[in-house]
Amino acid sequence: QVQLVQSGAEVKKPGSSVKVSCKASGGTFSRYAFSWVRQAPGQGLEWMGGIIPIFATAKYAQKFQGRVTITTDESTSTSYMELSSLRSEDTAVYYCAIWAIEGWFDPWGQGTLVIVSS
Amino acid sequence: EIVLTQSPGTLSLSPGERATLSCRASQSVSSSYLAWYQQKPGQAPRLLIYGASNRATGIPDRFSGSGSGTDFTLTISRLEPADFAVYYCQQYATSHTFGQGTKLEIK
Repeated sequence: QVQLVQSGAEVKKPGSSVKVSCKASGGTFSRYAFSWVRQAPGQGLEWMGGIIPIFATAKYAQKFQGRVTITTDESTSTSYMELSSLRSEDTAVYYCAIWAIEGWFDPWGQGTLVIVSS
Repeated sequence: EIVLTQSPGTLSLSPGERATLSCRASQSVSSSYLAWYQQKPGQAPRLLIYGASNRATGIPDRFSGSGSGTDFTLTISRLEPADFAVYYCQQYATSHTFGQGTKLEIK
């Protein structure tokens, strides 16, 4: 069973960028697609986008188009999510998850807290 | 965008009781592309149900999903203390959207 381990918490200034990593273990990396979902404090879940490594194709939610970049590095079995032009509203826990071909997300990483504050 | 509305917002029940959670879509969710997740405080969501009615690996059979079109239901037949959490539905027929969640709390 694949397991996902994410990078640690980050504190960023407004206008800067953050790059969160998600390392997969216990499976064949090239077989997996990855999605990224965020959760603002006390709020629900919001899909940001995802990537299918074997096709090197990323899809993004319209809300984040132009501000988010999702990539993978097969040599390290890691997916990355970079969010730019950060604002206070981007303060959230960011989760990666394995994106099943049919569309659901399972399993999930433990989450990475990103705080945007001046 | 398909909007998912979950009800009730909060459900107060006792262990041993039956819980019924609703998820209504703003338009039909094709091929029952609907999932349910459980989230406990400080933890990542966990997949319970996919394809509207299929239990994920390791999920006890007291959890069941049903529905089609625009109306979906998650039922927990006999609540155990570990079941008190927040539950989210997700549609993956057209992009991905989540409901706002139902908090299941101990009465």
